[in-house]
Amino acid sequence: NAGVTQTPKFRVLKTGQSMTLLCAQDMNHEYMYWYRQDPGMGLRLIHYSVGEGTTAKGEVPDGYNVSRLKKQNFLLGLESAAPSQTSVYFCASSGFPGQGNEKLFFGSGTQLSVL
Amino acid sequence: AQSVTQLGSHVSVSEGALVLLRCNYSSSVPPYLFWYVQYPNQGLQLLLKYTSAATLVKGINGFEAEFKKSETSFHLTKPSAHMSDAAEYFCAVSDRWSGNTPLVFGKGTRLSVIA
Repeated sequence: NAGVTQTPKFRVLKTGQSMTLLCAQDMNHEYMYWYRQDPGMGLRLIHYSVGEGTTAKGEVPDGYNVSRLKKQNFLLGLESAAPSQTSVYFCASSGFPGQGNEKLFFGSGTQLSVL
Repeated sequence: AQSVTQLGSHVSVSEGALVLLRCNYSSSVPPYLFWYVQYPNQGLQLLLKYTSAATLVKGINGFEAEFKKSETSFHLTKPSAHMSDAAEYFCAVSDRWSGNTPLVFGKGTRLSVIA
């Protein structure tokens, strides 16, 4: 059982370049999330999705776009990368929250450096 | 908005000593509360969660946490630290009354265990 799979694991970009991070889950979860992790800042929510075809902004959405065309996939895009987007990005999925089922399953992360 | 505050960004204990990681939440009504652990170069894993049943919650690896409404706290404890407990620990909160509110994480506490 793969759980949550993120690709790529590492990436180095130059300022202004674009890229897409892919997240795939095989647990039939409705909810999917993208977080970024920075030293001393904990995890901050970028965008999330409550189902196929839906997306919503989190705490730090600027500079990112997302799409959820298929239930199992959640893509995070950077249209014009900036050094401030250097971070570790985590994807997660869960069942319906608010019903005691909020356990998040995390991927192993993507280390992104923007030069 | 829901939030959690973790007191101490870094805690260091000796092997065999008590582990105490502090978390306070801000909410006018009791929320759902969680502790997650992140081992080096990995995603987060759920340690335990409070969803309104028993106020003393037992989790994996010998950890437990007690929900105290009067103190708005959900501190994580373990009687005897082991070297393998060295990791970063995150407290998180969810609004139990809203089905669409993602988890909000604290900034994390790094636990070091000294031999």
